[in-house]
Amino acid sequence: DIVMTQSPDSLAVSLGERATINCKSSQSVLYRSNNKNSLAWFQQKPGQPPKLLIYWASTRESGVPDRFSGSGSGTDFTLTISSLQAEDVAVYYCQQYYNTPRTFGQGTKVEIK
Amino acid sequence: QVQLQESGPGLVKPSQTLSLTCTVSDGSISSGNYYWNWIRQPAGKGLEWIGRIYTTGITTYNPSLKSRVTISVDTSKNQFSLKLTSVTAADTAVYYCVRDIAAAGTFDSWGQGTLVTVSS
Repeated sequence: DIVMTQSPDSLAVSLGERATINCKSSQSVLYRSNNKNSLAWFQQKPGQPPKLLIYWASTRESGVPDRFSGSGSGTDFTLTISSLQAEDVAVYYCQQYYNTPRTFGQGTKVEIK
Repeated sequence: QVQLQESGPGLVKPSQTLSLTCTVSDGSISSGNYYWNWIRQPAGKGLEWIGRIYTTGITTYNPSLKSRVTISVDTSKNQFSLKLTSVTAADTAVYYCVRDIAAAGTFDSWGQGTLVTVSS
């Protein structure tokens, strides 16, 4: 199984400031056939299912605000919220879809400082 | 936009079988290039992928659960189902049915989730 490890487990950021979440995979998730990284980011608010934010490591899902961005390649990835808004308080998960079983990071809780 | 809705008993006794159904609406389960997945989340914890079924009926399961899991599809009802045998308290979780687009590979549409508690 590919192990996904996120850091930090939680972070508190002031409104309007940048939030950065890291995700590391135990092996590369770069899909050679299309040269894309099989890495997604999800946002989960209490009582709701996860919501897809980013796929192929850096492609924003339709309707996701552009303050959310993804970067990285191979085994190291980052989700950045450029200017934290109150509605961004949530738990964020990275997930690999390079192979099965699909695996998720443990989650990073983002709060307002 | 496709909609997914889980249904099934919210309480299952230990050693019995957990059975859930996902009804897909606003889209045909047999059209397009999709996988239909089950994912679960214990309260306050992370997400665990259980397995998936392709529109052709081919299944893939998480090895950690493979001996106890069966996922099936009923295209006439536009539904797919999960059976998990010999449940214990460790199987208590919110269970989500989820679609992924095979060409993209990630989970783009989720049901709201249903809480299943394993308790006598």
